[in-house]
Amino acid sequence: QKEVEQNSGPLSVPEGAIASLNCTYSDRGSQSFFWYRQYSGKSPELIMSIYSNGDKEDGRFTAQLNKASQYVSLLIRDSQPSDSATYLCAVRGDSGGYQKVTFGTGTKLQVIP
Amino acid sequence: DGGITQSPKYLFRKEGQNVTLSCEQNLNHDAMYWYRQDPGQGLRLIYYSQIVNDFQKGDIAEGYSVSREKKESFPLTVTSAQKNPTAFYLCASSMGREDYGYTFGSGTRLTVV
Repeated sequence: QKEVEQNSGPLSVPEGAIASLNCTYSDRGSQSFFWYRQYSGKSPELIMSIYSNGDKEDGRFTAQLNKASQYVSLLIRDSQPSDSATYLCAVRGDSGGYQKVTFGTGTKLQVIP
Repeated sequence: DGGITQSPKYLFRKEGQNVTLSCEQNLNHDAMYWYRQDPGQGLRLIYYSQIVNDFQKGDIAEGYSVSREKKESFPLTVTSAQKNPTAFYLCASSMGREDYGYTFGSGTRLTVV
């Protein structure tokens, strides 16, 4: 079982729709959760972080965390073609002094104009 | 502007050759990391350093070496012992606290010729 799992996609949504990206993780002791956006050929860029159960909103982005079910999701409202990218879920565990971050393989999002 | 600078952007390595990838940050971050990204795989940790003059192996350290003589710099050497070095290499830094994600450099794409 992979430590952080994401559907590779592509996930296609029409412009203006809500895109929903999901991520599950295996380490119950995980404390911090991150979403990165990576455009093709570029490096990842941090867009959201979440640490507590519930929702966290930042502009058109909402991160949702459910530690009991071990999943974290990212909602993108009013999707734009510029949102087309691969979205990486990252989870920081709790392994003593160094808190290892594990990345998922990413979900490719395509926003259709 | 603060950020992480990786150089070169593209690098070609001949068989049996060692090459060094540069990573410099002016964010005053304590922790620095090297990741490797291959198509269809998540980011895999090569080495990390939480403080100057100290570094630790990540999940795939074989065939790589690093140094951390200055807070700002964390160069990665890909040695001839690394049999499959063709990949996208990403350097990242963080404050080291759990409530911060990573800032990534723009990456170095290494190809064996």
